[in-house]
Order: sequence, then structure tokens, then C-alpha cells
Amino acid sequence: GAVVSQHPSWVICKSGTSVKIECRSLDFQATTMFWYRQFPKQSLMLMATSNEGSKATYEQGVEKDKFLINHASLTLSTLTVTSAHPEDSSFYICSARSGFPSGANVLTFGAGSRLTVL
Amino acid sequence: DQQVKQNSPSLSVQEGRISILNCDYTNSMFDYFLWYKKYPAEGPTFLISISSIKDKNEDGRFTVFLNKSAKHLSLHIVPSQPGDSAVYFCAAGSADSWGKLQFGAGTQVVVTP
Repeated sequence: GAVVSQHPSWVICKSGTSVKIECRSLDFQATTMFWYRQFPKQSLMLMATSNEGSKATYEQGVEKDKFLINHASLTLSTLTVTSAHPEDSSFYICSARSGFPSGANVLTFGAGSRLTVL
Repeated sequence: DQQVKQNSPSLSVQEGRISILNCDYTNSMFDYFLWYKKYPAEGPTFLISISSIKDKNEDGRFTVFLNKSAKHLSLHIVPSQPGDSAVYFCAAGSADSWGKLQFGAGTQVVVTP
């Protein structure tokens, strides 16, 4: 089946540094990927829609200059948390549409990346 | 504003019995609903979905029921197995913005032998 890989799965950084998280579709091409964020015991919140070859679309309240998204190829989207602060510590998950006919309305999720900002 | 709500943070059920997970939503524009299962340190995996034009969808041990008038859906797992122990997320989306899902907070299911 469709597989989405995220890297790194766990990252710890100092406040003020930038962190890049990669989301790769391993066996399919994804023109659109989605980035979610999850705080402990809360639901996944959609941050932005990543579109291959064009600018990402951000949800209301998400700072686009803070969370830089680049979708340079059909198999890779990256999320860069710039000048990270402790409040950015969270679990970030990406998803991609697999494109399989039977799963037309199904998204494949990555395993997530846990960011801890000290 | 939370558009999808799972009011039960946890559920404990005996192996072989039925697990019933509930989900409520507020946005009448949602066209489809999905249930995802998540193990620790893994991403959510798709379980079952239902379109807003249906009221029931069944796949093996999993059945999803949709009550549009009540803006309520439920997932039934029968019989429950120890491997079903996980966090279950309810999610909803609309056709005009496919892939942009609103998630509930999840329900932790524990199936005891």
C-alpha cells in the first residue's frame, strides 16, 4: 500500500534555531500533501496544504513565515519551523493522497515528527 | 472552534464484546467522514469511511453509522480484539476542499482479555 515517510521522527533543538521536517511519499506521487499539528491529548489540527510547484495554502491563524512549506517535487514536501520557540513544541504529521482509485477519499499519513524546543 | 468532537477520551471493553465509539460534528457541510486508528509512535491509519449520502458502511468487523439529522456518527467494532487497542480518531471533510480534514480529539480504546 501507499507509504508516507517522515524524517526526523524526533528532534530536539534550542530556542531560536530552525528545524526542517521532511515528508516523502515512497511509492506514489502526491501533488498535494497536508501538514497537521497535534498537541497532547488534542486533535490533529490542519496547518496547511502543500501544493507541488506552487505556494502552500495556510489555515487561518497559522503563520506562513513561521512555518515554511516547500513542495519541490511530487514525492517530497518539507516543513521548516523557523526561529523555533518552546511553544512550537508539538507533534507534526503530514499526509498525502495516495491516488489509488479505491482510496479516492483516503489519506495516507506519515508517522509524525515530535519537535521539542528547549 | 472544534467542529468534530469525541467526548469519550477512553473506552475499555472486554475481548469479544462490541466497542462503540461516538463522534459528533457541528458543520453540516461535511460530505464524508472517516475513522482512523493510531498506535503510539505511528501515524494514523485509515479504517473506514462513510459518505454523507449513506447511513451505514460495513467492512469486516468495523461498521460506521451516520445520523445526519443528529450530526452524529459511531464506529462499531465487533468482536473486539486485543489488537484493536489504540487511539481512534474521527475525521470529517467536505468535497470542495478534499483532504482537509477536521479531526476529533481521539478515543483511547483498551481491549482486555
